[in-house]
Amino acid sequence: AQSVTQLDSQVPVFEEAPVELRCNYSSSVSVYLFWYVQYPNQGLQLLLKYLSGSTLVESINGFEAEFNKSQTSFHLRKPSVHISDTAEYFCAVSGRGSNYKLTFGKGTLLTVNP
Amino acid sequence: DAGVIQSPRHEVTEMGQEVTLRCKPISGHNSLFWYRQTMMRGLELLIYFNNNVPIDDSGMPEDRFSAKMPNASFSTLKIQPSEPRDSAVYFCATLLGAGVTGELFFGEGSRLTVL
Repeated sequence: AQSVTQLDSQVPVFEEAPVELRCNYSSSVSVYLFWYVQYPNQGLQLLLKYLSGSTLVESINGFEAEFNKSQTSFHLRKPSVHISDTAEYFCAVSGRGSNYKLTFGKGTLLTVNP
Repeated sequence: DAGVIQSPRHEVTEMGQEVTLRCKPISGHNSLFWYRQTMMRGLELLIYFNNNVPIDDSGMPEDRFSAKMPNASFSTLKIQPSEPRDSAVYFCATLLGAGVTGELFFGEGSRLTVL
């Protein structure tokens, strides 16, 4: 079984500041890792994912995440945030043996203030 | 494509009533998931269908919950009888293929309030 811990439930930042949303996971098998974003009153959307290969993965809107196997982490970063990045961000993990089952973290609410 | 379509978007009902939530998946997506989102427990997988067949229903909380997928373009999640603790946002999500290495597409959710 897998579990995900998102260490911060809320992260307030000012516009153009850098941000890091932390995610740690636990699994007895190799994993796939994901970040999903949820804007108010909407469903979740895939932001980026790590399946294999390069441990640094990027999204089209400037976010990046790095898979760190030794620290069992997959932190999400952006060097300069916009007000439109305000949303809830969910880290998720899937074990490679049961790859239909995603386990989500509780989410981190990112609020970008002007 | 219109994406995953869920109905109703909001439902308010009284304890003991039957609730039916509906989902129309993206055409061609052969995997369908029902999730429940609450503040206390976050997102929980309730049931997973592949090619209209239930593969894993271990997340269904109890016998009051049932889900069906009679064809590739329609799924329902039914709660009977409903209880206040069932209040949550219920999401349907679909996937092309059988593994989550692809992208899960979520509907906008059905917000259920049981009084």
